Amino acid sequence: DAGVTQSPTHLIKTRGQQVTLRCSPISGHKSVSWYQQVLGQGPQFIFQYYEKEERGRGNFPDRFSARQFPNYSSELNVNALLLGDSALYLCASSIGTGYAFFGQGTRLTVV
Amino acid sequence: ILNVEQSPQSLHVQEGDSTNFTCSFPSSNFYALHWYRWETAKSPEALFVMTLNGDEKKKGRISATLNTKEGYSYLYIKGSQPEDSATYLCAFYNNNDMRFGAGTRLTVKP
Repeated sequence: DAGVTQSPTHLIKTRGQQVTLRCSPISGHKSVSWYQQVLGQGPQFIFQYYEKEERGRGNFPDRFSARQFPNYSSELNVNALLLGDSALYLCASSIGTGYAFFGQGTRLTVV
Repeated sequence: ILNVEQSPQSLHVQEGDSTNFTCSFPSSNFYALHWYRWETAKSPEALFVMTLNGDEKKKGRISATLNTKEGYSYLYIKGSQPEDSATYLCAFYNNNDMRFGAGTRLTVKP
């Protein structure tokens, strides 16, 4: 079974651009969460989706948006990129009361 | 909206010290509480899944307790080592979804 897969693994964007990050959960997992980890800090919760509905949103500006598709994969979109958006973006999927499984992350660099 | 809160936000201890931190969660519709360790440059690693009030789990020098009636869990580390330095995340599951806390960032100085 494939684990949680995220794409791309690395990305370089220019300030003001838009970016889309993708996450494929483990087969059968219906919940997907997104986290941002800025270098030197702990992970920050961005969004959680369950059965294609938003279940939670962290303290992030409206430039951040996400969605979950019928196959439970998810996209995180960030508009009008700022230098401060440079971070590791992690996706996690879960099922039932079991552990959440994390992808390896997408390293976004904004220049 | 469910809120999962962890405290403290960060913690610095000396090697050999024992330490503990707290995860607070809504006490209604409880299903499970998870703890994860997240080391820099790695994916988060699952530590414990706790489901019953009064649960106590142990893994080496790390242990955790659970109080579902009052909505909190403690994570204890005995004799902290530099390799314990990481962010410790808790996550609350209520049968509909899972919510993570912001984490406690532990730094253990040699």
